[in-house]
Formats: sequence, C-alpha cells, structure tokens
Amino acid sequence: SQQGEEDPQALSIQEGENATMNCSYKTSINNLQWYRQNSGRGLVHLILIRSNEREKHSGRLRVTLDTSKKSSSLLITASRAADTASYFCAIGGFKTIFGAGTRLFVKA
Amino acid sequence: NAGVTQTPKFQVLKTGQSMTLQCAQDMNHNSMYWYRQDPGMGLRLIYYSASEGTTDKGEVPNGYNVSRLNKREFSLRLESAAPSQTSVYFCASSDSSQGARTAFFGQGTRLTVV
Repeated sequence: SQQGEEDPQALSIQEGENATMNCSYKTSINNLQWYRQNSGRGLVHLILIRSNEREKHSGRLRVTLDTSKKSSSLLITASRAADTASYFCAIGGFKTIFGAGTRLFVKA
Repeated sequence: NAGVTQTPKFQVLKTGQSMTLQCAQDMNHNSMYWYRQDPGMGLRLIYYSASEGTTDKGEVPNGYNVSRLNKREFSLRLESAAPSQTSVYFCASSDSSQGARTAFFGQGTRLTVV
C-alpha cells in the first residue's frame, strides 16, 4: 500500500508555538500533498511538494520531503487557534491514498 | 464559486433501503472521486472516475455503484444499505497540473443506516 501514515495521531499546543507533524510512506512517489480538515467539513488542499523538491513554503507552512527516508513533515509556525484541525498527507495519482491524520489542537 | 456540491447533506436510511448521493463540480475537472470517512480515520477511496465515461474501483467498492453522468456529475448509489455503511461521504474532483492531482472536496454527506 502507498498509504501515508501521520505521526503523531494527536498534538496539543499553545497559541504561538510551532506544530510539527510527520508523514511516512512505503513506495516511491511523484509528489506528496498535505490537506487540512476542519471538524465535520471537507478537506482543503494546503500544499504539494514534488519528489525533486526538498522544501516548500506557503505562508506559515513549511513542508519538507526526504525521499531517501520516505518521509515528509509539515511545520506550522506561530500557530493560531484557527489552525485547530486534522491534517492529512496524501500520496498517489488517481488512487490518492490518505493517512489517518494528525489532530492538532491549538489552545488560545 | 460553488466548487464541489454534494446533496443531501444528511440522510438516515433503514437497513435495506437504497439511495443515491449526488455530486456536481463546476471547475471543469476531468476526474472525480467518492471517499468515505469513518470516525477518527482517514479517507478511503470507494470509486473514482478518471475522465468522463470511465469509472474504476477504489479501496472499498463493495456495496456501492457509481455513475459518471457527464463531466460535471458523479453519483454514488447504495443499492441495499447496511449499518456498516454509516459514514461521512465525500466527493472530490481534480485535474492534473504537471502530473499532480490536487483534489477539491465537497462538504460531505452524513449517512446513518439504522
């Protein structure tokens, strides 16, 4: 299975702190994506990183990709209460597979 | 800017009843998908349609059928609902950009089978 697996399963931090979540996968990939899901809502695409990229930034988000270790990390800097959500990594093409996600809780 | 629209938003079915979940996208995307999400879990792919006129099974297709009615619409049918199909169902669409497929999701249909 190409399924990505996020770690940790849950993370609770104070507003202003950084949040780091990780994703590991088993097969070679062309790209890896991160999505956010607010409670009870659909997923929203955050960022895509291609296999030939090592790091990518988007606002307060920083994603790294280490293809030799088959892992990726998502860093949210200076977190806000509004960042409270579940975060999923996703790999694959048509049959995009999502991991179980990391539930992030940011305390105000 | 509707994006991906799913109907209904909520549904309660009795075991054995049938129903169709509707999905429509207005972004002119070629590919559409149906996922289910169970509590505390990620999304599991039920069926997908890479392009108009084609459909393929995903991870968990048993108990479901799909129809790609046209480029905009992709429906999911439960012929004989079972309690195990209680879940939140998400429709998504995507198009490829240099080989990557960024998915846009609907708001979900919460289905309870009693």
